[in-house]
Amino acid sequence: NAGVMQNPRHLVRRRGQEARLRCSPMKGHSHVYWYRQLPEEGLKFMVYLQKENIIDESGMPKERFSAEFPKEGPSILRIQQVVRGDSAAYFCASSPPLEVYEQYFGPGTRLTVT
Amino acid sequence: RKEVEQDPGPFNVPEGATVAFNCTYSNSASQSFFWYRQDCRKEPKLLMSVYSSGNEDGRFTAQLNRASQYISLLIRDSKLSDSATYLCVVNAPGGGADGLTFGKGTHLIIQP
Repeated sequence: NAGVMQNPRHLVRRRGQEARLRCSPMKGHSHVYWYRQLPEEGLKFMVYLQKENIIDESGMPKERFSAEFPKEGPSILRIQQVVRGDSAAYFCASSPPLEVYEQYFGPGTRLTVT
Repeated sequence: RKEVEQDPGPFNVPEGATVAFNCTYSNSASQSFFWYRQDCRKEPKLLMSVYSSGNEDGRFTAQLNRASQYISLLIRDSKLSDSATYLCVVNAPGGGADGLTFGKGTHLIIQP
């Protein structure tokens, strides 16, 4: 049973470009969470999604950031017009339907904005 | 006051010793508590859940004190492979629905 998969593992973007981060949850998991970890900081919750629904995006910056989890395919975290402050590790986690606190993390995408 | 606070360390401990860390949380409505482990530049991995009555998993013991709002992790007979950052995690209403609130972690170094 493959774990949570994220790609790319490393992403370099210039300021002003768009970044797209993908996450495929574990088989049988229907809940996806995105977290951001800035250097020397703890993980911060960004958004919680189920298939075709955003359940809670209270941790997501109001501008430039969006997330989706379509009926088919991976969850996507999209950052438009990236700035240097967006450089961070972005982790995706998934959980089974009835155990939302049992979250399994993917290996993360390290975004570097130059 | 930070939502979840941990001593960042590092804790330098000789192999075979016992080490303990605490974590405090600010939201008295928190209901679920966990310890995660994160190796350098890797993803966090669930180490153990923390139950009200305390629980043990091999060399690891977790305790919860709701009255004082702190959680502890005890590692006995420490191994070199225990070197990692240990993250205290709570679910905090308002911390993002079913998202989790992470402490910044305690860095543990086991020395041979």
